[in-house]
Formats: sequence, structure tokens, C-alpha cells
Amino acid sequence: QSALTQPASVSGSPGQSITISCTGPSPDVGNYKFVSWYQQHPGKAPKLMIYDVSYRPSGVSNRFSGSKSGNTASLTISGLQAEDEADYYCSSYASSSTLNVVFGGGTKLTVL
Amino acid sequence: QVQLVQSGAEVKKPGASVKVSCKASGYTFTDYYIYWVRQAPGQGPEWMGWINPNSGGTNYAQKFQGRVTMTRDTSITTAYMELSRLRSDDTAVYYCASHNPVYNAFDIWGQGTMVTVSS
Repeated sequence: QSALTQPASVSGSPGQSITISCTGPSPDVGNYKFVSWYQQHPGKAPKLMIYDVSYRPSGVSNRFSGSKSGNTASLTISGLQAEDEADYYCSSYASSSTLNVVFGGGTKLTVL
Repeated sequence: QVQLVQSGAEVKKPGASVKVSCKASGYTFTDYYIYWVRQAPGQGPEWMGWINPNSGGTNYAQKFQGRVTMTRDTSITTAYMELSRLRSDDTAVYYCASHNPVYNAFDIWGQGTMVTVSS
């Protein structure tokens, strides 16, 4: 059982916006700013999309954005495109002192 | 080109051990911790532990303590993860990932190694 809770699936039409939530017990998500989001296409390794809650690595589209409120972090994808269809996982430190990490169970995004 | 390249797929019998390698290139190997993460079919990633390539220090997830050993060889910029006493529920894709302290996240991943445990 994953420590971070995500919806199993979300869907949207091209051009629309969707939001994926990630809820964890304090202090995993609540107390730390180190929430990250990964995109994973079938048969591929995860790809970092968002780090430190709301920052994008170089090369990631600005259609991807992140935020956090209390114990819930969110990933928003605007202007949905067919290539956004993938699994998305959130991650956070379980302990910043030991650098142990936890992942969410994943959300399957379907672009209709 | 910054990359992590893992060893190939393995098929093992229950009770056996498996050792997966992860070769780093394109960056200073000793600068970034290497994490090992596994993903069972249809499941989310599961953190197994990390190794500090500089010191060799390790930290394992409690679930795997006693069964996992992470090592590295700095001369060939390669990290290793060995899992012993394999069970059928260890069947998964095993990934190594480089932890970037600027991002507090994993920005480089290996391609994954499928380990199948079957009698």
C-alpha cells in the first residue's frame, strides 16, 4: 500500500485542463516542500515533471504546474494533448533527515 | 550525455539472489546519491534504498533490510543492487535513479531491469 493517495484515474478532452491530487499524512506532504511529480509512459522509465511542489525542470512544458495546500499536493495539466496520456506519480520525502522517499499509487490520465 | 544504463532482464527461481547493475555516465558519479526503486506490474513505484557513491554509505527501506545490499564501484562508475531470498512477489521492474539535491527529486533514471521470479 502506497503512503501517498492519488485517484486511480482522470480523463479529459484535448485542450482541457485536469488536476491530479496527492494526499499524504503529515509530515510527508504537509510539512515539506519537496513534493515531486513524474510522468510514465508504458514500458518507459518515469520522467521528472515537477519538483519542490511547483518548479519545472528545464525542458518540461509550462502546461504542467504544481501546487500544495495542507496535506494535499496537486498537478495540473492545461491544454491537454494526446501525448500527455500516461501514468503520473507523486513523491515526497518520508523523512528529510534520512532522505527516505514515498510514492503515490499513480493516476492513469486518459485523453479522450 | 547524462545517463544511467542498467543490466538486462533476469529470470530467477524462488530463494535465489539477483544482482542488478547501473552504470552512470556523463556526470560525476560520486556527486549524486543513487536510489533503487522497484515497480511491480500495475503498481506504483516502491523505494528500496539508496547508496552514497562517494562514501559507500547506504540506507535501506525497512521492508528490505536483511535482504538487500547496495554497493558501488567508483572505478567503473557503477552501482549495484543485490536482492536475496527472492519470492514471487519480488517480480518487478527495478530502476536506479540519480537523486539531484537541487531538485530534491530524481532527474535521471535507468531504463529499468525486469526481474521475474518463477519456479
